[in-house]
Amino acid sequence: EAGVAQSPRYKIIEKRQSVAFWCNPISGHATLYWYQQILGQGPKLLIQFQNNGVVDDSQLPKDRFSAERLKGVDSTLKIQPAKLEDSAVYLCASSLGGTGRTGELFFGEGSRLTVL
Amino acid sequence: GNSVTQMEGPVTLSEEAFLTINCTYTATGYPSLFWYVQYPGEGLQLLLKATKADDKGSNKGFEATYRKETTSFHLEKGSVQVSDSAVYFCALTPSGNTPLVFGKGTRLSVIA
Repeated sequence: EAGVAQSPRYKIIEKRQSVAFWCNPISGHATLYWYQQILGQGPKLLIQFQNNGVVDDSQLPKDRFSAERLKGVDSTLKIQPAKLEDSAVYLCASSLGGTGRTGELFFGEGSRLTVL
Repeated sequence: GNSVTQMEGPVTLSEEAFLTINCTYTATGYPSLFWYVQYPGEGLQLLLKATKADDKGSNKGFEATYRKETTSFHLEKGSVQVSDSAVYFCALTPSGNTPLVFGKGTRLSVIA
């Protein structure tokens, strides 16, 4: 079974530029998450989708971050314009339903962003 | 709010040593508790879980017991191997469809 795919793995940009990350979840997984992991910290949820609807985006900085999951499958996370503090690893995860009591999220390898 | 506090790393142990990584939590209600592991160059993966008080989760020789009275979920392994070198994350979910809340992670290095 193919895992969660993310691209690009690495991206270096200058501040005020834009960047987009792509995620393809495990086939059949209805729920998709984007997490931000800053060096030395644990992953922090940015947005959760159930199929193509947003369940939770309360921690997404909406002035610069946007995300979509148009057909309920793959998803794109965009940052425009980027700030230095956006340097982090962006993790995509998916699960069959919600987190539920199983807590089993399947994570991709992440996209590492460096903003100069 | 909901939060997880883990012991600071890095932790460096010799092979076959006993491992404990402390984790305490703050949550409303009765959360489910988890340990995730991130091996070098790989994504996070679920290591073990416990969904109610006094439950013990176990996997690959690792164990953790859900202690409601001390709000803790410490990870233990009796004899670590070099292949256990990784970053370990304690996490919780307060209820059914609520996303996971993670601790900061603890890096473990096991030397031969």
